[in-house]
Amino acid sequence: KAGVTQTPRYLIKTRGQQVTLSCSPISGHRSVSWYQQTPGQGLQFLFEYFSETQRNKGNFPGRFSGRQFSNSRSEMNVSTLELGDSALYLCASSLEARGVGYTFGSGTRLTVV
Amino acid sequence: KQEVTQIPAALSVPEGENLVLNCSFTDSAIYNLQWFRQDPGKGLTSLLLIQSSQREQTSGRLNASLDKSSGRSTLYIAASQPGDSATYLCAVAYSGAGSYQLTFGKGTKLSVIP
Repeated sequence: KAGVTQTPRYLIKTRGQQVTLSCSPISGHRSVSWYQQTPGQGLQFLFEYFSETQRNKGNFPGRFSGRQFSNSRSEMNVSTLELGDSALYLCASSLEARGVGYTFGSGTRLTVV
Repeated sequence: KQEVTQIPAALSVPEGENLVLNCSFTDSAIYNLQWFRQDPGKGLTSLLLIQSSQREQTSGRLNASLDKSSGRSTLYIAASQPGDSATYLCAVAYSGAGSYQLTFGKGTKLSVIP
């Protein structure tokens, strides 16, 4: 079966711009979580969506937002980009939001210049 | 706030050696502990999951143990191979705000030298 698909794979943006990343989960999975990975901080939880509702949110500023559609696809948006937002953004899908059965995508590498 | 620490940050071993990766966490109220593998520029692959009520899990040459009371887990890799070279991440799952989330350590980068 198809895995978790993240698009685009690579992205270069300028400070102050905004960006939208997309995540298509495994068919049938209703939960999508987003993580930011940087060399200094490692993997940090951004937010989780389940059946179009945000169930949990990490400690990130309001510039980071997301949504989930009725087909479980999810998008995350970062507004007013800063250099420190350069990172690998990973999404993970699971059947239910129960802390198990995560399948991760390959990520979107965002570079802010 | 849950914090996860992995030691060492990097490890280089000759092929065939047995090795142990360590993970510690500060809050024992966890739902489960998971070990992942990450290859360069790629996403995470789940290796082993230990429920909070379990003590260990095994898969092939991998064995993970969990001591919840002391906040520690170890990942044992037997007879290491060059294909095992990757970054190994430990994560604890806990519930909060009606959902579950994973808190990750920063990983141990393993290099197995042929």
